[in-house]
Amino acid sequence: SQKIEQNSEALNIQEGKTATLTCNYTNYSPAYLQWYRQDPGRGPVFLLLIRENEKEKRKERLKVTFDTTLKQSLFHITASQPADSATYLCALPRGSTLGRLYFGRGTQLTVWP
Amino acid sequence: DADVTQTPRNRITKTGKRIMLECSQTKGHDRMYWYRQDPGLGLRLIYYSFDVKDINKGEISDGYSVSRQAQAKFSLSLESAIPNQTALYFCATSDWGQGTGELFFGEGSRLTVL
Repeated sequence: SQKIEQNSEALNIQEGKTATLTCNYTNYSPAYLQWYRQDPGRGPVFLLLIRENEKEKRKERLKVTFDTTLKQSLFHITASQPADSATYLCALPRGSTLGRLYFGRGTQLTVWP
Repeated sequence: DADVTQTPRNRITKTGKRIMLECSQTKGHDRMYWYRQDPGLGLRLIYYSFDVKDINKGEISDGYSVSRQAQAKFSLSLESAIPNQTALYFCATSDWGQGTGELFFGEGSRLTVL
């Protein structure tokens, strides 16, 4: 069965540094991968989608890479700020049906001043 | 107002009780989903619906049922609640016409079954 792993449950970094979160998957060849942000007590919010034929995608201070050979996506936040503190989830599609997703357990990022 | 609204936001109930969680959306999306979130397990799909007449089971549908009363409304029922159904439940929507398949989540309904 498909399996998604996010590198660690928690990541603590200093403000201004680059945060790098990892999402690995097995037994799977997804057509795309999504990243979401979740704040405590709130629903996840979509951040970025990267397709299998895209190596990298950027949005403001966010960068996502997708290596289908390694079966891995890296999510980078550059010049991190305390406001970036949240849990970040990666998600992969279930088959070809849009919207049906497998979610990773998430990585809780804390950015300290 | 939120685009995806869930009620109630918090509910404490007892084993064996029937519970309904409701979801309504103003985004005009045709697709709606119910996910469950447990600590350490991530989000798991319970049921989803692509149209008013369409209901599909997700990976953990046992013990749950749903009703799509209208395009904008999708409710989740626990016919006889049990303690291991204690979790945070999220309703989500997506737009079939949008190529990204991104989900728009509600704020969640925290359910505690004693």
